[in-house]
Amino acid sequence: EVQLVESGGGLVQPGGSLRLSCAASGFTFSKYWMHWVRQAPEKGLVWVSRTNIDGSSSSYADSVKGRFTISRDNAKNTLFLQMNSLRAEDTAVYYCARDLCGPEDRWGQGTLVTVSS
Amino acid sequence: QSALTQPPSASGSPGQSVTISCTGTSSDVGGYNYVSWYQQHPGKAPKLMLYEVSKRPSGVPDRFSGSKSGNTASLTVSGLQAEDEADYYCTSYAGSNNYVFGIGTKVTVL
Repeated sequence: EVQLVESGGGLVQPGGSLRLSCAASGFTFSKYWMHWVRQAPEKGLVWVSRTNIDGSSSSYADSVKGRFTISRDNAKNTLFLQMNSLRAEDTAVYYCARDLCGPEDRWGQGTLVTVSS
Repeated sequence: QSALTQPPSASGSPGQSVTISCTGTSSDVGGYNYVSWYQQHPGKAPKLMLYEVSKRPSGVPDRFSGSKSGNTASLTVSGLQAEDEADYYCTSYAGSNNYVFGIGTKVTVL
């Protein structure tokens, strides 16, 4: 069974850092592009970032560019999102997703990040 | 990277059809046939309902259909059922390996 399990969320102060993880199982992780998508409380979905199959290429939404870094460890079947200089507007549930918008699209259940003093 | 425009709400009675529009620009919806639609129930992760404008992933009923004309894509849900009540989001490839989501539409089954 395909599973994506996010972790690492929590409460952090403005200006702080957090590293999210997404543990993948049930499929060949190294064959898929992976994405992060977030959803602020009671708001819509926002694409955050994506990485290619070996982590050599990545792209970011303008709102997080220069502050967030996506990476992956194919040996450990894990996707990461390093989030620095966090702002209140970064408060959201963060989802990892496989093959976003493709026929093998799968999402995790999300991890909540709260940026507040 | 402005969000795609969707109506905030739509509704229909059981058995009826509802159509949701998703308007972007020539840099996203109009420029690529990579429009997808997600269904999200409260407290749940989004579920892909259509990809590449009109293709259905395995397990999605054929009551869900999609189309695109110019910078606007549409999702039609035919034969509305109670379980179709949810939020629906469109998304489009926007070039340079970037993606953009719509603002979401709440579908109510009357």
